[in-house]
Order: sequence, then C-alpha cells, then structure tokens
Amino acid sequence: NAGVMQNPRHLVRRRGQEARLRCSPMKGHSHVYWYRQLPEEGLKFMVYLQKENIIDESGMPKERFSAEFPKEGPSILRIQQVVRGDSAAYFCASSPEEDGELFFGEGSRLTVL
Amino acid sequence: SQKIEQNSEALNIQEGKTATLTCNYTNYSPAYLQWYRQDPGRGPVFLLLIRENEKEKRKERLKVTFDTTLKQSLFHITASQPADSATYLCAHPRAAGNKLTFGGGTRVLVKP
Repeated sequence: NAGVMQNPRHLVRRRGQEARLRCSPMKGHSHVYWYRQLPEEGLKFMVYLQKENIIDESGMPKERFSAEFPKEGPSILRIQQVVRGDSAAYFCASSPEEDGELFFGEGSRLTVL
Repeated sequence: SQKIEQNSEALNIQEGKTATLTCNYTNYSPAYLQWYRQDPGRGPVFLLLIRENEKEKRKERLKVTFDTTLKQSLFHITASQPADSATYLCAHPRAAGNKLTFGGGTRVLVKP
C-alpha cells in the first residue's frame, strides 16, 4: 500500500508563473489536507477537502490559491502568479476518516525566483 | 484564538538519557493530542495519539502524558539514541474534521 504521493518534489518558478502541486492520498483515504511550512517554522493548515468538496479553506489565502480534489485523480493545489513569499514546502496529508492520525507525503518544495 | 506552543530551543541530550519535550495549549480543550516526528526534508510521521481521558500513553521507548488541568502534554524519549535526533511536533484538532493545528516543533539532538 503506497503512502501519500506528492509531485513534483521540487519546483522552481519565476515570479508571476503558476505552480501546480499534486497529491495522491493513500488508497482508501477520502480526506485530504494541505499544509504549508516555511523554513524553520511549523506547519500551517491551508485547506481540507473530501472528494469533490472543499470542507474548510480557512487557512488558504483568498487570492491566487485554489485547491481541488476531483472524483478521479489527485488533489491539486494551484498557486497563480507566484511571488517570492510563496516559497515554502507544501505538504499533503490524508486520513481514512474524519478523526485520527494524518499520513503525510514527503512534500513539494516550491522556490520562486 | 487557539495557540499551541512548544519549546523552540533545540534540546541537546546525551545518548541513553531521557529527553522530555513540552507542549502547551491555550483557549481550547482538545479531545486529543497527537505527536509527530519530522526529519529534515521529509514529511511528518505520526507517533502517538493521547485522548483527554487518558493520562499516559506508551509506545516502545516513547511516553506521552496529557494534563488537561495544566493544558499541557509531555513527550518523553527514554534511553535516547542518535537515531532519535529529529524535530518533534505536537498537534491538536481545531474542530471537527481533524484539521490539526501544529506547534512549532522542538528539535532534539542526541549526541553519542
């Protein structure tokens, strides 16, 4: 049973470009979470999704950021018109139920030049 | 607003000793707390979950306590080994749906 798969592991973008980060949850997991981690800082919650639904996006900036978890395929975190402050590690986690432990991917590290 | 705080200073400890990490929370009484381990460049890995009605939980050389009066959880690594060197994160759910709020983590360095 493969773990949470994130890709790309590393992504470099220039200011103004778009970044798309993908996350395939563990098999059987229908709850997906995205977190952002800045260097030397803790994990900050961004968004919680279930299949085809955004349950809570209270941690996600209102502009330029969007997330989806379609019926088929991975969850996508999309950042439009990236700025240098978007440089961070973005972690996806999944869980089989609403409560309990989270299973994290290895993260996608975005660098904005 | 909810806050969850961990000692931001790194903990340097000699191999074989017990490392004790502190997690304090405010303004909220979570139903449970979770502890994760994160190695550099890797994603966090779940270690232990302790519920509010449990005073103590153990897993191999790890022990977690949960004091709802003090609003504090202690995380102990007994007989520490260099391989235990990592950052340890405390987390609790903000509300239904398991949206965990994480502390800033405490880095542990076990010296041989």
